Amino acid sequence: GIQVEQSPPDLILQEGANSTLRCNFSDSVNNLQWFHQNPWGQLINLFYIPSGTKQNGRLSATTVATERYSLLYISSSQTTDSGVYFCAVDQIHQGAQKLVFGQGTRLTINP
Amino acid sequence: DVKVTQSSRYLVKRTGEKVFLECVQDMDHENMFWYRQDPGLGLRLIYFSYDVKMKEKGDIPEGYSVSREKKERFSLILESASTNQTSMYLCASSGGQGWGYGYTFGSGTRLTVV
Repeated sequence: GIQVEQSPPDLILQEGANSTLRCNFSDSVNNLQWFHQNPWGQLINLFYIPSGTKQNGRLSATTVATERYSLLYISSSQTTDSGVYFCAVDQIHQGAQKLVFGQGTRLTINP
Repeated sequence: DVKVTQSSRYLVKRTGEKVFLECVQDMDHENMFWYRQDPGLGLRLIYFSYDVKMKEKGDIPEGYSVSREKKERFSLILESASTNQTSMYLCASSGGQGWGYGYTFGSGTRLTVV
């Protein structure tokens, strides 16, 4: 099946810093999503981005489908950005789509 | 916004009990999913359903079953709970058949089996 690798596994930054999270995937995909899991376990959908670039406030994401990677940018980090960021891609399984997750990047923003 | 609601945030059950985890979505989505999340293992798919009364095994279905009698509700059943089923359980839904639909997750149920 498809493999999804995220880097770095851990990232510790000071408030106000910028960060780039990377997601590599081993096969072509039709759907890629970025999620933020907050300290209470809730997975929040950040971007649905199978290709191209999208921006939402301080966050933006770029997916280069032909080269099989996606990047999540966080600018001017705040302590509320802390948590685990997951990249997930769609895979056909028994005729239906299912989401395959990377292992996540744990981001810690210190005040 | 799509809302996916899981009935309990925290549950504590005894070994051997039958456990029901409920998930309800309010956007008429065809597809629903159950994942479990464990430290070091990430999110793993247990079961999914792409229509009422339809179910498909995911990557780790052993020890679990599911029920989808209505489109909006997808239940995960632990027939006889065991301590290795202590985990965070996440339900998700997505709309439509085929590609092009994002996923929305519930807030999770943290289950402890003692």
